[in-house]
Amino acid sequence: EEQLVESGGGLVHRGGSLRLSCAASGFTFRTYSMNWVRQAPGKGLEWVSYSSSGSTIYYADSVKGRFTISRDDAKNSLYLQMNSLTDEDTAVYYCAREMSGGNRPYYYYGMDVWGQGTTVTVSS
Amino acid sequence: DIQMTQSPSSLSASVGDRVTITCRASQTISSFLNWYQQKPGKAPKLLIYAASSLQSGVPSRFSGSGSGTDFTLTISSLQPEDFATYYCQQSYGTPGTFGGGTKVEIK
Repeated sequence: EEQLVESGGGLVHRGGSLRLSCAASGFTFRTYSMNWVRQAPGKGLEWVSYSSSGSTIYYADSVKGRFTISRDDAKNSLYLQMNSLTDEDTAVYYCAREMSGGNRPYYYYGMDVWGQGTTVTVSS
Repeated sequence: DIQMTQSPSSLSASVGDRVTITCRASQTISSFLNWYQQKPGKAPKLLIYAASSLQSGVPSRFSGSGSGTDFTLTISSLQPEDFATYYCQQSYGTPGTFGGGTKVEIK
């Protein structure tokens, strides 16, 4: 079974840091592009960051300069280092696999495997 | 950034009803439009990709159509398990923006 499991969420003070992890299993992780998507309480979905199977990385403007995405293909894992956290970063964070066949940054396809999410709460 | 506008933001329907949700992009996105279903406390689930391609394992009562700027998700006969929130997402350029969601509730 293709699976993603996030971990690392928790309560952090404003201005603090947190590192999220996403462990993949059941598929060849190194061949897939991966994303982080978040959802603030009671709100919609917001794309956060992208990592290709190579070295291409993108960030949403809202997190650029504060968040860093990385991956360890040997460990089948995706990470999100989050620094300088603000109240607006409070959300459930999902990692999600991107379907193959796209041509980033021009076009791509949907996210077909999602983790269960990990909750990040930023408070003062 | 490309803005995605979904309508309605919520609707009430009965089991067996035909339900249509629309999504409009602020500029042309060809057919690079995806639909997701999300139930409370759960991760989103991909239903439709590339505007009209049914994701594996998704019931055939779900269908998508459209190209350019206007898109539609149709549920041909609403089932009890379909009560959820639906999101569109464009995948033509980065960032891949989502619509605001449509909550489908029981009438």
